[in-house]
Amino acid sequence: DAEITQSPRHKITETGRQVTLACHQTWNHNNMFWYRQDLGHGLRLIHYSYGVQDTNKGEVSDGYSVSRSNTEDLPLTLESAASSQTSVYFCASAPGQGGTEAFFGQGTRLTVV
Amino acid sequence: AQSVAQPEDQVNVAEGNPLTVKCTYSVSGNPYLFWYVQYPNRGLQFLLKYITGDNLVKGSYGFEAEFNKSQTSFHLKKPSALVSDSALYFCAVRDIAPRSSGGYQKVTFGTGTKLQVIP
Repeated sequence: DAEITQSPRHKITETGRQVTLACHQTWNHNNMFWYRQDLGHGLRLIHYSYGVQDTNKGEVSDGYSVSRSNTEDLPLTLESAASSQTSVYFCASAPGQGGTEAFFGQGTRLTVV
Repeated sequence: AQSVAQPEDQVNVAEGNPLTVKCTYSVSGNPYLFWYVQYPNRGLQFLLKYITGDNLVKGSYGFEAEFNKSQTSFHLKKPSALVSDSALYFCAVRDIAPRSSGGYQKVTFGTGTKLQVIP
């Protein structure tokens, strides 16, 4: 069955370190998204991609970057981790049509100490 | 800019009673509307969506939602709540109109409503 997987599921890192969260989908979806979930804020969009070599900033993109070198993967990099980036991160993918729903990964819980 | 409001942080309902989780939205044009559910330590799961057509949309697990354009609302409902329905529910909206720079508008999520069904 097609799926979307995130790794690692849990990560503890130190302030200032570079961290990369992986997202891999086998749906062959063009659209991929990264969100962070924080209490009181719901889901906030970090970055998104509509296809290979396409990346776009979301509403909370500062301190994060993504790259899309193939259809299946959209890794999220925290260039210099900060305590404010402690959160639960969700990756999602969706087919090309605007009215289609997204499929979410199980999340990565990141703690920056 | 598009936005979604879920005015209740938590909704408590007795098992067997009807439930409603509220959602209102704001978009410049016509919306695509979605409801997702999140169980503890899990990702979001799609419940139902409104694209066009009948204002009453039926989805998974007996849930339904009513699109009301004049009130810009898309409330989630279920006739008889189950304890297993206890979870976090998110409403989401996407503007149908393409971005001025091309491509689809991003999806905006509400802050979520925790549903607690009491046995």
